Amino acid sequence: AQKVTQAQTEISVVEKEDVTLDCVYETRDTTYYLFWYKQPPSGELVFLIRRNSFDEQNEISGRYSWNFQKSTSSFNFTITASQVVDSAVYFCALSEGTSGTYKYIFGTGTRLKVLA
Amino acid sequence: DTGVSQNPRHKITKRGQNVTFRCDPISEHNRLYWYRQTLGQGPEFLTYFQNEAQLEKSRLLSDRFSAERPKGSFSTLEIQRTEQGDSAMYLCASNPENVRVHEQYFGPGTRLTVT
Repeated sequence: AQKVTQAQTEISVVEKEDVTLDCVYETRDTTYYLFWYKQPPSGELVFLIRRNSFDEQNEISGRYSWNFQKSTSSFNFTITASQVVDSAVYFCALSEGTSGTYKYIFGTGTRLKVLA
Repeated sequence: DTGVSQNPRHKITKRGQNVTFRCDPISEHNRLYWYRQTLGQGPEFLTYFQNEAQLEKSRLLSDRFSAERPKGSFSTLEIQRTEQGDSAMYLCASNPENVRVHEQYFGPGTRLTVT
């Protein structure tokens, strides 16, 4: 069965600290896609990054970076030099290729509070 | 370039009433999804449309729920005989039928409160 686990319910950091959000997933598919979304207090889910199961290269995009490891089924997300505006709930999501619909399975989210 | 829009943004209704929500996806996005998000949880998939065809429905979508996408553009989600457990944020998302694009773009949601 497909499942996404975000064990961290809430994280608080002081501005300019680096913070890593953890995500562990379960799937039987060999082709799948992983995503991170940000949900600020306004409520709208904002797409941040996507990773394909067949591409384990880790990348950095501005202050965001991610670590995708198939061996441990983890897709962790790091914000470098956090800012108050990064305060939001962050969701990890899984989409499977064989379902045809590419619907998302979300984790329960991690609330990030960045303190000034 | 407009994003996904949803109306109304907020709806308060009494138990037993019917409600209808509307979603306008990004133009030319033929895939459309509905999700439901309750407080403190991640969104849960409800149903999926490809053009006007409803291709998948979650078991969460009881017979009181119905969704349509009559011309393959906007979609509506109707809840009949609302119950307090229906109180949630209803999110709509869309993406194009393109094998290179798998990320979904979400609207601002409709927050339903059933009293």
